[in-house]
Amino acid sequence: NAGVMQNPRHLVRRRGQEARLRCSPMKGHSHVYWYRQLPEEGLKFMVYLQKENIIDESGMPKERFSAEFPKEGPSILRIQQVVRGDSAAYFCASSPNGELRVSPLHFGNGTRLTVT
Amino acid sequence: LAKTTQPISMDSYEGQEVNITCSHNNIATNDYITWYQQFPSQGPRFIIQGYKTKVTNEVASLFIPADRKSSTLSLPRVSLSDTAVYYCLVGDIGDDKIIFGKGTRLHILP
Repeated sequence: NAGVMQNPRHLVRRRGQEARLRCSPMKGHSHVYWYRQLPEEGLKFMVYLQKENIIDESGMPKERFSAEFPKEGPSILRIQQVVRGDSAAYFCASSPNGELRVSPLHFGNGTRLTVT
Repeated sequence: LAKTTQPISMDSYEGQEVNITCSHNNIATNDYITWYQQFPSQGPRFIIQGYKTKVTNEVASLFIPADRKSSTLSLPRVSLSDTAVYYCLVGDIGDDKIIFGKGTRLHILP
């Protein structure tokens, strides 16, 4: 039973380019969460999605960032016109039902984005 | 969401028992306590969760006093591979997301 799969593991982009980060949740999980982690910092919540719906995007910057979780395929976190401050590790987590009391989050191993 | 306070870092030696205490003075009645572990270059991994008294699994024990204003994660006989960041989280059953603090960096020495 594969865990949460994120790709790519490492992504290098020049300033102004677009970054696309993909997350395939665990089998049977329909709830996806994205977090960002700066070096030596804790994880910061960005967005929570269910299939085809954004439930909570309170942690995501209003500009340049977007997320989707289509009916088919992985969840995508998209960062347009990247800047150096976007350099971080981006983690995806999934849950079968969003009931975090009963089903703790399962995390992937992240995508490390470097903006040059 | 209740705020948590835990030590920034701790050192211990192989074979010792390690206790990491987390303060959550304004914990609410419906809040539960969860601990995650994060190894370098990996995502966090769930360790243990509890509401009150004591919970034990194959990895750790969680001690929660009657007032629930703190909790202690206990790792028995640690090894070098237990070097990681440990996050204490407090949340309600109705919360739709988990908020992480900076965690405790545990460094196990040979």
